[in-house]
Amino acid sequence: EAGVTQFPSHSVIEKGQTVTLRCDPISGHDNLYWYRRVMGKEIKFLLHFVKESKQDESGMPNNRFLAERTGGTYSTLKVQPAELEDSGVYFCASSQLLAGVGNEQFFGPGTRLTVL
Amino acid sequence: AQTVTQSQPEMSVQEAETVTLSCTYDTSENNYYLFWYKQPPSRQMILVIRQEAYKQQNATENRFSVNFQKAAKSFSLKISDSQLGDTAMYFCAFFQGAQKLVFGQGTRLTINP
Repeated sequence: EAGVTQFPSHSVIEKGQTVTLRCDPISGHDNLYWYRRVMGKEIKFLLHFVKESKQDESGMPNNRFLAERTGGTYSTLKVQPAELEDSGVYFCASSQLLAGVGNEQFFGPGTRLTVL
Repeated sequence: AQTVTQSQPEMSVQEAETVTLSCTYDTSENNYYLFWYKQPPSRQMILVIRQEAYKQQNATENRFSVNFQKAAKSFSLKISDSQLGDTAMYFCAFFQGAQKLVFGQGTRLTINP
C-alpha cells in the first residue's frame, strides 16, 4: 500500500513568489493534516480536513496560506506571496476516520520550502 | 493550551546501550493519547509507540518502551539494546479530542558504533 506522498520534495523560491505544495494521502483516509516545522523548532499544526471540509484551520499563520482538498482526495497548500519566515518543512499526514480513537497519523516525507 | 516539552535537544550513546528520552506535557484533560514518532535522516516520520492515558500499563513495542507517569505528566521513551538504525529525530506528541497532534521540539539521537 502506498504511503502519504508529497510534491515537491524541495522548493526554493524568492520572496513574493507563489508556491503550491501537494499532498496525496493514503487511499481511504478521510483525515488529512498539514503541519510545519520551522528550523530547529517544534512541528506545528496548520489545519485539518475531514474529507473535503476544513475541520480546523486554527494553525494557519495568515491569509497568505490557502489549503484545499478537492473531492476529498489530494490536498494543496498554496503560499501567496511567500515571505522569508515561511521557510521550513511542510508535512502532510493522513489517518482513518475513527471516532474516539487516537488514530495513528501517517506522515509524508515533507516538502522543504526555502524562501530567499 | 496543551504543550509538550522535550528538554534534551541532542543525545548520543554507544550501540547496544540503553537510552531514555524525556518528555513532559501539560493538559487539563483526563483522556488523551501520547505518541513517540521517529524521523530517520532523510526519511519519513513513523510512529514508534502509543500510550492511551486511561491505561495504567506502560506501552511496549519490542525494544521500545515508555514510562508513563500521568500525575507527573511525564512520558519518557526507553530504547533498549540500541542499534545504528535508531539514529533519528524523536518527537514526543500529544493527541486529544481536537484531532491534532501537539509536538515537542524533538531530540536528535545518535547511536555510535
